[in-house]
Amino acid sequence: DQQVKQNSPSLSVQEGRISILNCDYTNSMFDYFLWYKKYPAEGPTFLISISSIKDKNEDGRFTVFLNKSAKHLSLHIVPSQPGDSAVYFCAASYSGNTGKLIFGQGTTLQVKP
Amino acid sequence: SQTIHQWPATLVQPVGSPLSLECTVEGTSNPNLYWYRQAAGRGLQLLFYSVGIGQISSEVPQNLSASRPQDRQFILSSKKLLLSDSGFYLCAWSKGAGNTIYFGEGSWLTVV
Repeated sequence: DQQVKQNSPSLSVQEGRISILNCDYTNSMFDYFLWYKKYPAEGPTFLISISSIKDKNEDGRFTVFLNKSAKHLSLHIVPSQPGDSAVYFCAASYSGNTGKLIFGQGTTLQVKP
Repeated sequence: SQTIHQWPATLVQPVGSPLSLECTVEGTSNPNLYWYRQAAGRGLQLLFYSVGIGQISSEVPQNLSASRPQDRQFILSSKKLLLSDSGFYLCAWSKGAGNTIYFGEGSWLTVV
């Protein structure tokens, strides 16, 4: 049972434009959501998170939106830069779950110069 | 600041041989510790997590085991590796539940 899904395996955008990565979840008990960025052969690095009490969190070029009724979150990167090219994972957890994260399958973002 | 290190970074092991991957966290105490695996072309799957010394929970039935002999040390082991154990293994830590998880550099395991 895939509780966290990233239905787009890949996304290609032009430098300077907006990148939108999407993520859906099924477990209504999730109350904390995160996005990670991963380069090949490296560990994922934390990008941005959002608590279920919010619907938006912004950090520089990165904004995460949460739609609890739709069980959907998205990551917006604007403007996109070639260095943003990587695999992006969304993840979710709930406070009674000892902090372990459930990850989506990942979306490979390519930003073209 | 907190740091996490895991080793070895890469290893090639024959089928049936043992495995030991080590992970240590510095700069914090009593962290939650995790082992994840990323198989080729797939997402990150949680294998084990630990909330304290000697406390290990397994998420999926498998050929691997984990141990936490010290507060900031987490070890992933196998007595006899299978071809299907190949993958990218990631150690991670967090400060309690509901917090961000931070990952180590990862270890590439190829079973031949």
